[in-house]
Amino acid sequence: SQQGEEDPQALSIQEGENATMNCSYKTSINNLQWYRQNSGRGLVHLILIRSNEREKHSGRLRVTLDTSKKSSSLLITASRAADTASYFCATTDFGNEKLTFGTGTRLTIIP
Amino acid sequence: DSGVTQTPKHLITATGQRVTLRCSPRSGDLSVYWYQQSLDQGLQFLIQYYNGEERAKGNILERFSAQQFPDLHSELNLSSLELGDSALYFCASSENSYNEQFFGPGTRLTVL
Repeated sequence: SQQGEEDPQALSIQEGENATMNCSYKTSINNLQWYRQNSGRGLVHLILIRSNEREKHSGRLRVTLDTSKKSSSLLITASRAADTASYFCATTDFGNEKLTFGTGTRLTIIP
Repeated sequence: DSGVTQTPKHLITATGQRVTLRCSPRSGDLSVYWYQQSLDQGLQFLIQYYNGEERAKGNILERFSAQQFPDLHSELNLSSLELGDSALYFCASSENSYNEQFFGPGTRLTVL
């Protein structure tokens, strides 16, 4: 079963704009990870944020985590055409290392 | 390139058949995870091995089995295949518990 929902399901923006995707989950977590998937290909790991962290940065990526609201957001700044992909959040909870994935956001960057 | 390899990339077979998917984890990673991605169910965890031992089981059918060998590579065996088993099968590996999981490129299974 899916851990939660991602919002929006699909997002189209102009190249150069910022893209924000949200992820909600249901249970207490150990960590939350974001992945990118290009059309039917493998999952690329983007960033991991632990439950005791509130914000992390990696290049043009910024991830926030609000455990009180059971939600996370992924911000991609200065988007590029190559950022076109599906983005998934995935959580692990205490006592179980498996990843439970969200439903994904399909991001399209318009050149 | 994540360092996780999977073979084959594509597999086309008929209902009732049996196939084996292979995964080599990143060097030094002891944990191997198998996931299935299908249109109707999304990404689902199947099973985890840690240093040769089964550690966790998810939504894995009885027709499916897996193992991890002493060299840490893993195989996922799917038998009595049905049309609904058509999906992308991913292997992931991680160094330690609750660390990043790095995914292989996947095996696309088509059951006709």
